[in-house]
Amino acid sequence: EADIYQTPRYLVIGTGKKITLECSQTMGHDKMYWYQQDPGMELHLIHYSYGVNSTEKGDLSSESTVSRIRTEHFPLTLESARPSHTSQYLCASRDRVAAFFGQGTRLTVV
Amino acid sequence: AQSVTQLDSHVSVSEGTPVLLRCNYSSSYSPSLFWYVQHPNKGLQLLLKYTSAATLVKGINGFEAEFKKSETSFHLTKPSAHMSDAAEYFCVVSDNWRGADGLTFGKGTHLIIQP
Repeated sequence: EADIYQTPRYLVIGTGKKITLECSQTMGHDKMYWYQQDPGMELHLIHYSYGVNSTEKGDLSSESTVSRIRTEHFPLTLESARPSHTSQYLCASRDRVAAFFGQGTRLTVV
Repeated sequence: AQSVTQLDSHVSVSEGTPVLLRCNYSSSYSPSLFWYVQHPNKGLQLLLKYTSAATLVKGINGFEAEFKKSETSFHLTKPSAHMSDAAEYFCVVSDNWRGADGLTFGKGTHLIIQP
């Protein structure tokens, strides 16, 4: 079992609200990632980090932001949620061998 | 540049029969290859990985995959399907550890197990 945790698992929220999706890992990995998974199940990289104080945008443009103040913590924030943000968000960290994923947060914006 | 093609978006087999999920890749360097499984409303779980050791790789739950460089393939197999194998399967290639975009995902294959 990988030691990477996402909270909440499910979130339904109104348009315009600010939300933060939490991701924590206890494996000491430097590299962490956020993926957005659309209804067709394809994964798209939206943010990544090489380590503390490092954040980069991924392949898919996203209105979300991330921070990396501690190695184990990589939260994703949406300042003003919109229905187009409805999706599943997956957090991952990796070592030299493989990537490990959290259980995901399924976000619904109404 | 690297890419992954999962040749079937859906595969349906009967319980107890063999499973074959096909994956072809392209990579500029010697790649690492992975298969992940995702059950409904869950994250991705690592099934198995190839990292330039033995070309036949055994994973969890009876799955295995064979790396064939000449065919640029990494097909996933299981001798006998179980109902619990019904899930989405992703083939992933990585050939750049220094870049955070080193993981490239296939579009996924939905495995259906008929009773």
